[in-house]
Amino acid sequence: GAVVSQHPSRVICKSGTSVKIECRSLDFQATTMFWYRQFPKKSLMLMATSNEGSKATYEQGVEKDKFLINHASLTLSTLTVTSAHPEDSSFYICSARDPGTEYTEAFFGQGTRLTVV
Amino acid sequence: GQNIDQPTEMTATEGAIVQINCTYQTSGFNGLFWYQQHAGEAPTFLSYNVLDGLEEKGRFSSFLSRSKGYSYLLLKELQMKDSASYLCAVRDSNYQLIWGAGTKLIIKP
Repeated sequence: GAVVSQHPSRVICKSGTSVKIECRSLDFQATTMFWYRQFPKKSLMLMATSNEGSKATYEQGVEKDKFLINHASLTLSTLTVTSAHPEDSSFYICSARDPGTEYTEAFFGQGTRLTVV
Repeated sequence: GQNIDQPTEMTATEGAIVQINCTYQTSGFNGLFWYQQHAGEAPTFLSYNVLDGLEEKGRFSSFLSRSKGYSYLLLKELQMKDSASYLCAVRDSNYQLIWGAGTKLIIKP
């Protein structure tokens, strides 16, 4: 099946700094990628939909100036958490839709555990 | 609003069979997915149903009834490694995935 690679898997940063998370589709072109956030024992919360070559679509309540998304190529989307604070600590997961598969299910990256201290 | 319901937690015995139910109310329907998620890891795809009926894939089967807004995931011959959360997700009319909160499955020896 299609492979999505997310990096880094874990990151610890100081409060006030910015962190960039990368999401790559390795063997298919993903015109659309999704960024999720997941709190412990909770389900996935869609943050934004990233479209190649255009601005991301953010879900209600998600600060676009804090969570910067860039989808500059068909295989790479990045999420930058700017001026991170401890409450931003969470598990962030990206997914990509492979338009070439039979039912275009979403393939997920490995996830990034962000800890802001 | 859109809603996906599944039990919070279930317990089963190694070697047994367990059925995890999912009911949904969404704006349109373009398929239902089941994912497995181990703690601290990203979800992995298990199954997809878009037509009514049963889809079997090895030890796992998934059933769908669109008229009832209902699906279940059936796991047979349970193994300890099946201990995980199982997420039900429905793709709505906008082709957006709506996620359930997940069912934590605990397997006991």
